[in-house]
Amino acid sequence: DTAVSQTPKYLVTQMGNDKSIKCEQNLGHDTMYWYKQDSKKFLKIMFSYNNKELIINETVPNRFSPKSPDKAHLNLHINSLELGDSAVYFCASSPSPGGDSEAFFGQGTRLTVV
Amino acid sequence: GENVEQHPSTLSVQEGDSAVIKCTYSDSASNYFPWYKQELGKRPQLIIDIRSNVGEKKDQRIAVTLNKTAKHFSLHITETQPEDSAVYFCADRTGTASKLTFGTGTRLQVTL
Repeated sequence: DTAVSQTPKYLVTQMGNDKSIKCEQNLGHDTMYWYKQDSKKFLKIMFSYNNKELIINETVPNRFSPKSPDKAHLNLHINSLELGDSAVYFCASSPSPGGDSEAFFGQGTRLTVV
Repeated sequence: GENVEQHPSTLSVQEGDSAVIKCTYSDSASNYFPWYKQELGKRPQLIIDIRSNVGEKKDQRIAVTLNKTAKHFSLHITETQPEDSAVYFCADRTGTASKLTFGTGTRLQVTL
């Protein structure tokens, strides 16, 4: 059973397009995240949702819009894709927003903008 | 946390030697410090974590130490094996925050 799954695994698209990445977790966790990992392997938080509510929105262009229809899903929509958006995007979940709860990561979506 | 520095960025050791990776955090309210291992093309996975009320934790060949006064924590891998080769990330979180702040990663290469 896959705990945190995201689709697609690979996404190649042209500049200016709009694309979405989907994420689902079957762990019963309340909190979900989107992280961006660039070519230097830096892992940066983008968004965090707790029970469908946005609780963290780092300095991310408003071309990026997360949507959480329920606490098991957190999708990421990106408008007007740019070359600099190329990265691996990881979805993650944890039981609760704070404290010592471990974050479980999805397998990542490698986005390439050409 | 606010900022987590991690050193070294790359580390090469011979099989059987020990490897040490160090991190420094800035947020005095941080109370949870996990370490993640990311193999090539894979997701980050938790290998060990430590809470702020503990100074040291060990799990087989892996140990983590925490110095809250100095705001340092370290990962120690003993008797390294080729399968330990990966990128390792430290992270911290405060009690009320909802995010893990990651260090910049250490690429560990274990050579035969």
